[in-house]
Parts: sequence; C-alpha cells; structure tokens
Amino acid sequence: DIQMTQSPSSLSASVGDRVTFTCRASQGIGNDLAWYQQKPRKAPKRLIYAASSLQSGVPSRFSGSGSGTEFTLTISSLQPEDFATYYCLQHNSYPLTFGGGTKVEIK
Amino acid sequence: EVQLVESGGGFVQPGGSLRLSCGVSGFTFSDYWMSWVRQAPGKGLEWVAKIKQDAGEKYYVDSVKGRFTISRDNAKNALYLQMNSLRVEDTAVYYCGRDDYSKWGHYYGIDVWGQGTTVTVSS
Repeated sequence: DIQMTQSPSSLSASVGDRVTFTCRASQGIGNDLAWYQQKPRKAPKRLIYAASSLQSGVPSRFSGSGSGTEFTLTISSLQPEDFATYYCLQHNSYPLTFGGGTKVEIK
Repeated sequence: EVQLVESGGGFVQPGGSLRLSCGVSGFTFSDYWMSWVRQAPGKGLEWVAKIKQDAGEKYYVDSVKGRFTISRDNAKNALYLQMNSLRVEDTAVYYCGRDDYSKWGHYYGIDVWGQGTTVTVSS
C-alpha cells in the first residue's frame, strides 16, 4: 500500500498569512493526487485534482504543486473561512490512501 | 444540483450487520464509478470501497475485505454498502462519493461527497 504522510499535522496562522503544507508518498504516484478541505462535521470538499488543477469554484488563493512523491498545497493569503483540516489523497493505486491531515488553526 | 444522500447508519453490536444506502440525484448515476469513505471519531479519512458503473469491478481496503460488500442499483440511482461482522473499529461516519474520471479514463479522485451517515458499533 502507498503511505501518504502529511506535514505538519497542525499549524497556527493568521488571516493574510501564506501557508504551505506537504504531502509525501511512499512511492511515486505521478500526479495522481487530490487535496481536500474538511470543516468540522462537514463532508470533505475537493480543492485540487491532478496535483495542481484547481477545482471549479475554488478560490485562486489555493494552489497545488508537485509530482512523484512530494506535493504541496499553498494558500496564498489565508482567509477566515480557510481554517479547516486539509487532506491529500493518492489515487494512483488501490487501496486509495489519504494522508493524516493538516489542521489549520487561528493564531 | 448534484446530491448524494446517505442513510442506514445506526447503533449495532459487535458481530452485527448494517446496510448503508446512498441515493443520488442531479447526474446520470450509471455513468459513474462510486466510492465509500469513512472517518472514525476524531480521526482522518479512510477509503473503504469502490464500484464500477456496471458493478463489474469492485475494490476494497484490506480491513473490510470479506466483511463488507459494495453494490449498486442503477435503475434506482442507489449505492449500497452491506456491512457484516461489524467490529468496534468500524465505528465511523460513512460518506459516499462520486468518482471523477476524464473522458479518456483518467481518474481524478472523488469530486462530490454526501453528508455522511454515522455507524456506531458497541456492546
């Protein structure tokens, strides 16, 4: 199985900050990676697919990059509605596997 | 509007069974692969199972193989997850999701999610 490791597991940031977090795959997955945002007691919402393609309707302050084994999600200017937990998902091979999540909290 | 609505969750004792359902609307259900994903209390997301449009292919995470069965009824626009021999560690919110494929067959993960249904396994 492909293991997905997200770092950090949590971070504190302020509105307006630029934040970046990482997802590492235990083996190469090309660009078969998606990023999701989840708010408490809500379903996940896809932000990025194919590692760097922005989901329709998602603000342009979100961007994804990377390929192979290392991927990043960047929020260029953190907004109040962005405080949430972010998960990566590899869909290169079965079983599909999620990272453990990065929780973004208000500083 | 695309909608997925799960139902069938509840409280069950270890060793028991439950059948989850996911009703969909707003898209042609028979055109899509579908998945189940779960989230244990306070934990991250775990993919559980996936089924092809015609149910000709099914995939499972190892921890549920032999106990859970994913199925679908395209005439009823419904996805199911039959869960047998339930364990305490199966306690979670279960989400159904629509799988996103390009017209060339490239898979892009789950693009639409239901709101989830809660399964609690406890004695």
